[in-house]
Amino acid sequence: DSGVTQTPKHLITATGQRVTLRCSPRSGDLSVYWYQQSLDQGLQFLIQYYNGEERAKGNILERFSAQQFPDLHSELNLSSLELGDSALYFCASSGLATYNEQFFGPGTRLTVL
Amino acid sequence: GENVEQHPSTLSVQEGDSAVIKCTYSDSASNYFPWYKQELGKGPQLIIDIRSNVGEKKDQRIAVTLNKTAKHFSLHITETQPEDSAVYFCAAPYSGGGADGLTFGKGTHLIIQP
Repeated sequence: DSGVTQTPKHLITATGQRVTLRCSPRSGDLSVYWYQQSLDQGLQFLIQYYNGEERAKGNILERFSAQQFPDLHSELNLSSLELGDSALYFCASSGLATYNEQFFGPGTRLTVL
Repeated sequence: GENVEQHPSTLSVQEGDSAVIKCTYSDSASNYFPWYKQELGKGPQLIIDIRSNVGEKKDQRIAVTLNKTAKHFSLHITETQPEDSAVYFCAAPYSGGGADGLTFGKGTHLIIQP
């Protein structure tokens, strides 16, 4: 158990809809990262937040957004969903002292029908 | 951003033998190289990492080597056991030397034959 929690575990929705995925980092970790894992694209970095502020952007679509709250939990919002957005979404966290050492949560499996 | 290539995509070895997985990266500024193990239905688990100021790091049956000149790094697993069966990913910083996300290789499915 990495100490990173994600909810929900599974999510099934329809095209055009909007969903929110939630992540709680390990106790004391200030950075949260979001990743997408699909058969086509592999494991891709989407976005990083550090202590409430956006820190870095990866291959995140404009239809996707994220935020990190004062209690350090983070949410990933996916809107205007398409079939191709079906994937596993992982959250990872790291602390200031463990530069780049990222610990992953169990993931949310999103299915868009 | 960084580009990471990983080989082979599938590796089958006899229990007790060694396994080697190789990765190359493109950005010479990259300074951190972790390896993750992912079992079915689970998130990636960090198993070992190496920073660019060392050439080799070992942790029991697992070792990682780094050649900065050639921009490649490798994972070595000795005395393989059935529980080593999983998908292994190498990674490097998404923007080279930055403390941001990771760029992952495509993964190696390691199969340990009894």
